[in-house]
Amino acid sequence: GQNIDQPTEMTATEGAIVQINCTYQTSGFNGLFWYQQHAGEAPTFLSYNVLDGLEEKGRFSSFLSRSKGYSYLLLKELQMKDSASYLCAVLDSNYQLIWGAGTKLIIKP
Amino acid sequence: DADVTQTPRNRITKTGKRIMLECSQTKGHDRMYWYRQDPGLGLRLIYYSFDVKDINKGEISDGYSVSRQAQAKFSLSLESAIPNQTALYFCATSEMTLDTGELFFGEGSRLTVL
Repeated sequence: GQNIDQPTEMTATEGAIVQINCTYQTSGFNGLFWYQQHAGEAPTFLSYNVLDGLEEKGRFSSFLSRSKGYSYLLLKELQMKDSASYLCAVLDSNYQLIWGAGTKLIIKP
Repeated sequence: DADVTQTPRNRITKTGKRIMLECSQTKGHDRMYWYRQDPGLGLRLIYYSFDVKDINKGEISDGYSVSRQAQAKFSLSLESAIPNQTALYFCATSEMTLDTGELFFGEGSRLTVL
């Protein structure tokens, strides 16, 4: 079966760095997405990786290793507004999105 | 105003009732999707539509039906609601295939079936 694994919850301190991991086993691979979802709100797009390596976008970076079935989202200089759930999703061989359950990130002052 | 609008935002209903959730978008996208989100689970696709004449079942279509009334409108119906359909429902759109663009979500419709 298809599976996306990410930690359920993480806690970090304001101003610090946090890495949220995502591992996947899917039928084929056409890219990996990260979305941010604040409580009670809609998910919003953060990043898309289809090739191995690191993509940097401001305070957020996303890394992909296709051979290891692994990605991470790196958040730097954490701010209180970064408290949210972070959703990992993989586009499989049928171009269907398979979603992880999300990682709830709690930022403490 | 939101680009993808869902109504109602919250709904409480009883088992056996018919419910319709509506979605409209001003993004001009051809592709529209309905997802449900449950605690501890990833988003699950219910139905999707690539244009007005194209409707496709997703992972969990049983108990649901959809109608694509126009490019901008995609509604989800629960013909006879049951308690395990209690969830947060999201409508989403995309411009092209998902390997070329992102999903844009509505604000969600929280449905409670008693």
